[in-house]
Amino acid sequence: AQSVTQLDSQVPVFEEAPVELRCNYSSSVSVYLFWYVQYPNQGLQLLLKYLSGSTLVKGINGFEAEFNKSQTSFHLRKPSVHISDTAEYFCAVSRAGGGNKLTFGTGTQLKVEL
Amino acid sequence: NAGVMQNPRHLVRRRGQEARLRCSPMKGHSHVYWYRQLPEEGLKFMVYLQKENIIDESGMPKERFSAEFPKEGPSILRIQQVVRGDSAAYFCASSDLERGGYEQYFGPGTRLTVT
Repeated sequence: AQSVTQLDSQVPVFEEAPVELRCNYSSSVSVYLFWYVQYPNQGLQLLLKYLSGSTLVKGINGFEAEFNKSQTSFHLRKPSVHISDTAEYFCAVSRAGGGNKLTFGTGTQLKVEL
Repeated sequence: NAGVMQNPRHLVRRRGQEARLRCSPMKGHSHVYWYRQLPEEGLKFMVYLQKENIIDESGMPKERFSAEFPKEGPSILRIQQVVRGDSAAYFCASSDLERGGYEQYFGPGTRLTVT
């Protein structure tokens, strides 16, 4: 079984500042990793994914994440945030291969302030 | 290309009634997943279906809940005799595994309120 830990439930940050949202996972098998964003009363939008290959993955809206196998981490970063980035961010893991359920972290609420 | 569609977006049921939630996957996707988001909690997997087959139902409550994905038409998540604890947002996702699409795309969700 897989598990995901998002240590920060809330992260306040000023506009145009950099941000890092932390995600650690646990698994005894190879995994795929994902970050999703959820705006209030909406569904989840895929930000980026790691399946294999380069450990630095770039996603939409200027976000990127780095897969670190030795530290079992997949932290999300953005060099300069905007007010519109205020949302809840979920890290998710699945067993590698097709057709496997996603296991989600409890989410990190990113609040961007002026 | 239309995304994953779910209806209704909001559903109110009295205790003891039945709730039917529908999900139409993205065009060409034949793999559907259902997740539940309880208040103040993360998303939890419920069931994974492929056309006409349940592949993994390890997250489904043993009683009152059922799911199907017929050859034609949307996937249905059915909750019989709803209770207040069933109040949650239910999300459907789909993927295109036949073309190597391992990521899941989510619908807008159905918010179920049980009164």
